[in-house]
Amino acid sequence: AQRVTQPEKLLSVFKGAPVELKCNYSYSGSPELFWYVQYSRQRLQLLLRHISRESIKGFTADLNKGETSFHLKKPFAQEEDSAMYYCALKSGGSYIPTFGRGTSLIVHP
Amino acid sequence: NAGVMQNPRHLVRRRGQEARLRCSPMKGHSHVYWYRQLPEEGLKFMVYLQKENIIDESGMPKERFSAEFPKEGPSILRIQQVVRGDSAAYFCASSLSGPNTEAFFGQGTRLTVV
Repeated sequence: AQRVTQPEKLLSVFKGAPVELKCNYSYSGSPELFWYVQYSRQRLQLLLRHISRESIKGFTADLNKGETSFHLKKPFAQEEDSAMYYCALKSGGSYIPTFGRGTSLIVHP
Repeated sequence: NAGVMQNPRHLVRRRGQEARLRCSPMKGHSHVYWYRQLPEEGLKFMVYLQKENIIDESGMPKERFSAEFPKEGPSILRIQQVVRGDSAAYFCASSLSGPNTEAFFGQGTRLTVV
């Protein structure tokens, strides 16, 4: 069975500090990994996916198959980055994403 | 395009009542997905529907829960005889042409059973 683990329920940093939101997954095949973000009072939206290898709003995430991780990173956090972040996995056998429980990021001024 | 619209945003029901949650997909989208988020947990897939058809309901509880996506009108998630454990946020997403295309989420309906 596939599973996504986000060990941190809450991550609190100061503006300008580096941010790393952890995501580990369990799946034996070749997964497709995503990060979604939900800003306050807004809907969940796709932030980035590993296959596109892009940087969105300064965030990047690298798939590490050896460590089965897909951590989300940003070198300098901004106040507007405060939101809920969800890691999700989609596998070849199941086309519906499996989500982690989410990490709340709070960036203090 | 207003995006995926869910209503109501908040719904309070007494135990034993019925809850109806509505989801209007984005214009042109014919694929709808329902997720449930229990407190302290991630979004859990419930059901995937395409117009008038249930494609995958592997995440739906076996009893009291049903979903439909009629030819005309919104998708409806129906919970009969609600219990306290049904209290959760229910999210709907839609996509243009199946799960391999990006899904766009609604803002969710928060159901509270008292």
